This record gives sequence, C-alpha cells and structure tokens, in this order.
Amino acid sequence: NFLLTQPHSVSGSPGKTVSISCTRNSGSIASTYVQWYQQRPASAPTTVIYEDTQRPSGVPDRFSGSIDTSSNSASLTISGLKTEDEATYYCHSYDSANLNWVFGGGTRLTVL
Amino acid sequence: QVQLVQSGAEVQKPGASVKISCKASGYTFTNFYMHWVRQAPGQGPEWMGIINPHDERATSAQQFQGRLTLTRDTSTSTLYMELSSLTSEDTAVYYCARSVSGSFYLSDFWGQGTLVAVSS
Repeated sequence: NFLLTQPHSVSGSPGKTVSISCTRNSGSIASTYVQWYQQRPASAPTTVIYEDTQRPSGVPDRFSGSIDTSSNSASLTISGLKTEDEATYYCHSYDSANLNWVFGGGTRLTVL
Repeated sequence: QVQLVQSGAEVQKPGASVKISCKASGYTFTNFYMHWVRQAPGQGPEWMGIINPHDERATSAQQFQGRLTLTRDTSTSTLYMELSSLTSEDTAVYYCARSVSGSFYLSDFWGQGTLVAVSS
C-alpha cells in the first residue's frame, strides 16, 4: 500500500481561498482516482470531490479538486470561505491491486 | 430515500467479539456492495472490507483477515460486521458505506456510525 500525507491543519478568513494538499508516497497520483471527504464532528464523512475533479450534486462550485503529477499530489481548493466550511478534510484513493482504500490523515480547516 | 441505520454503541472487553448491524432501506438491497470503514479517535478513516449482498461474497483488508466476518440477511435488508479478538486498538466508530454501482472506490451513502469501546 501507498501512503497519502496531508498537512495537519490550515486556516483562512471568510471569503478567502485555501488549498489542502495530499501527497502520495509511491506510485503515480494519476494512477488511481482521488476523492475528498468533508467530516464535521460526530458525523460521517461526505464526499465533496470524486474522481480527482468531479463535484457531487449539491456541493457548491467553491470546492474544486486537481492533481499535479510533478509533485505527485492532489489538492482540494475552497474559495469564498464560509464558516460552515470548518471541518476536517480527508483525501482518499485506493489500491486496485490489493483491493484496499487508502485515506490521508486529515486536515483540519479553521475559518477565522 | 436511501437510509443506512446502524445499531447502537457497544462496550466490549478485550478478547471479546462485537457484531454491528447496518439496516438498509430506500433501494434494492442486493444491487449495491457495502463497505465497512472504521475511524479511531482523532485518526483518519480505515477501510475494513466490502461485501456483495447479492451472494454474500466478501473481501477484507489484509490487517483484518482472520478476525473480520461480513454477512447479510436479505429478508431484513441488514448487513452485519463482526470483529473478533478485540483489543483497545479496536476502539473506534464503525461505519457502513454503500458503494456506488459499478465502482469499488466510490461511496454515496454512509450510516451514522457505531461507537465500539474496548475496555477491561
């Protein structure tokens, strides 16, 4: 299995833009899709980005995803920050050879 | 509407087993695989395994092989996750998560979670 590494925390002011990185330690970031989950306290994770860049219906277009093969990482960008965006965000991918999901350690977003 | 309703919190002693249920409604039960995921306090989610409710075939993550059993009851549209030989490191919230049709890596609905505390 590979590992996905995220910063422990990020912060931003309302209306600003923040990005959260997710770096894969082995194998190409482009070899398997990356998803991003949002988790609020005492709630199950919900998907905000799937298949690298796709937004589920109901997720505002302030949320966007990308991958960068040069740094072997994925990013979640949230623009026009709102206090309701405060949560922990997890990147997620999968090991198709071993049938396994892999999660990052999570990034706590604080909207100051 | 799709709902996944899990059983209530459990406290178990080290060495014991725990069996959690996940009752599905609002869709054709046998048409969607179900994942089980757990999350220890302060940590990221950890995938445990997946079951096909149609034929009850299941795959477990390597770290759980030998002590994880995934089953289902089609008469009640309920899935079960049983974990044996519990240790304190199994203290976590356990979730069922429905797999998007045709995809191993996408999930669309999650249960509310079941807290399992392992303590002597």
